[in-house]
Amino acid sequence: KQEVTQIPAALSVPEGENLVLNCSFTDSAIYNLQWFRQDPGKGLTSLLLIQSSQREQTSGRLNASLDKSSGRSTLYIAASQPGDSATYLCAVRGAYNQGGKLIFGQGTELSVKP
Amino acid sequence: DGGITQSPKYLFRKEGQNVTLSCEQNLNHDAMYWYRQDPGQGLRLIYYSQIVNDFQKGDIAEGYSVSREKKESFPLTVTSAQKNPTAFYLCASSIVGAYNEQFFGPGTRLTVL
Repeated sequence: KQEVTQIPAALSVPEGENLVLNCSFTDSAIYNLQWFRQDPGKGLTSLLLIQSSQREQTSGRLNASLDKSSGRSTLYIAASQPGDSATYLCAVRGAYNQGGKLIFGQGTELSVKP
Repeated sequence: DGGITQSPKYLFRKEGQNVTLSCEQNLNHDAMYWYRQDPGQGLRLIYYSQIVNDFQKGDIAEGYSVSREKKESFPLTVTSAQKNPTAFYLCASSIVGAYNEQFFGPGTRLTVL
């Protein structure tokens, strides 16, 4: 059974710092991995999608990497800003899942202090 | 302006009531999904549909029902059989296929009074 874990559960950093969020998964048979952002009381915003054949994806100050064989992904945020404060979720689409189900981690709550 | 809309934003249910949550998308996606989010837990799949007039149970379907009469719409009914319905409900959609990105709506917060 696929399990997704995100460490740490919460992170507080000063503005301007570069930071890394971690995501691990137990079954390497995946189609893709998605990183999402969730603001309090809001829906999920898709940040980056990495296909199983890819090693990384970049969007602006965000860079996500994928090491499928070791079951790990990282989300790198460069030059963090207070507006980056949110919960970040990773989710995997398993290769044996029917219907496109995503398996989610519990998230990392990020606070960027001015 | 393409996207997914959910209504209402907040919903209150009395014991023994059925309530229906709306989800509409104008992204022309064939696949739609309902997830439930509880504090301290990740999202869990309730139901999904990959084509009109067809849907499948997810991991926690007991006490819920859905319909898919139109491509754009995938309403979720929370029945009185759902013993612990208080949660945040999120609807998502995607193109059908193994490698496609899912997009989410703004969510509905359901509270049992």
